[in-house]
Amino acid sequence: GAVVSQHPSRVICKSGTSVKIECRSLDFQATTMFWYRQFPKKSLMLMATSNEGSKATYEQGVEKDKFLINHASLTLSTLTVTSAHPEDSSFYICSARAGTGQFFGPGTRLTVL
Amino acid sequence: GEDVEQSLFLSVREGDSSVINCTYTDSSSTYLYWYKQEPGAGLQLLTYIFSNMDMKQDQRLTVLLNKKDKHLSLRIADTQTGDSAIYFCAEIPNYGGSQGNLIFGKGTKLSVKP
Repeated sequence: GAVVSQHPSRVICKSGTSVKIECRSLDFQATTMFWYRQFPKKSLMLMATSNEGSKATYEQGVEKDKFLINHASLTLSTLTVTSAHPEDSSFYICSARAGTGQFFGPGTRLTVL
Repeated sequence: GEDVEQSLFLSVREGDSSVINCTYTDSSSTYLYWYKQEPGAGLQLLTYIFSNMDMKQDQRLTVLLNKKDKHLSLRIADTQTGDSAIYFCAEIPNYGGSQGNLIFGKGTKLSVKP
C-alpha cells in the first residue's frame, strides 16, 4: 500500500512555543491530505482537510489560527501548532488518499509542558 | 446522520477466530474500511470492501457486508497475539473524488490471550 510518513514522531515542548509537524506521501502524490487528532482511548477527530495550493478546510470548533496548515506540494503538508498549551497535548495523525484507500502516517505524539 | 458504532472490547484466545462487528447509518457509503492501530502507532489499513460486495477475503481476514442491515464485520481466523490492537471501522459517505471524509467508529480493542 501507499506510504505516508510523519516527522517528528514525538515532540515535547514548553508552553507558548510553536511546533511544526510534517506529513509526506512517499510513493504517491496527494492533492488532499487530512489531519486528525486522537485523544486517549478515543476515536480520531478530523481537524482539517489540507488541499494542495489552496487554503485548508477546517472542521467546526478547530481554530485555524491555532492550527496552521500548509500544503506546499503534492507530497508535503505541514501542521503548525502555534503557541502550544498543555491542552494541545495529543496524538496527531495525518493521512492521504491513494486510489480507493486512505493511508495514515505513524502519528506524532505532542506533549506540551 | 452519519454514525459508526462498534463494541469497545473483545477478548479471545490465541488460535480462535475473532469477529469484530460494526454498524453504520449512511446507506450511501461507497467504501467501508477496517483499520488496525497498535499502541502508540498510526492507523494501518487492513482491508476495505466496496458497497456492491457481500464478502471479501484476504488471507486470515474476512469482511462481511450486510448492506440491508448496514452491518459490517471483520473476522480474523487463527488469531495471534500480534493481532492485539484496536480495530476501527470507517466509512466514506458519498465518496466520489478527492473529498469525502472518513467517519470512524470508536474502535474495538482486541485482546488475545495465549
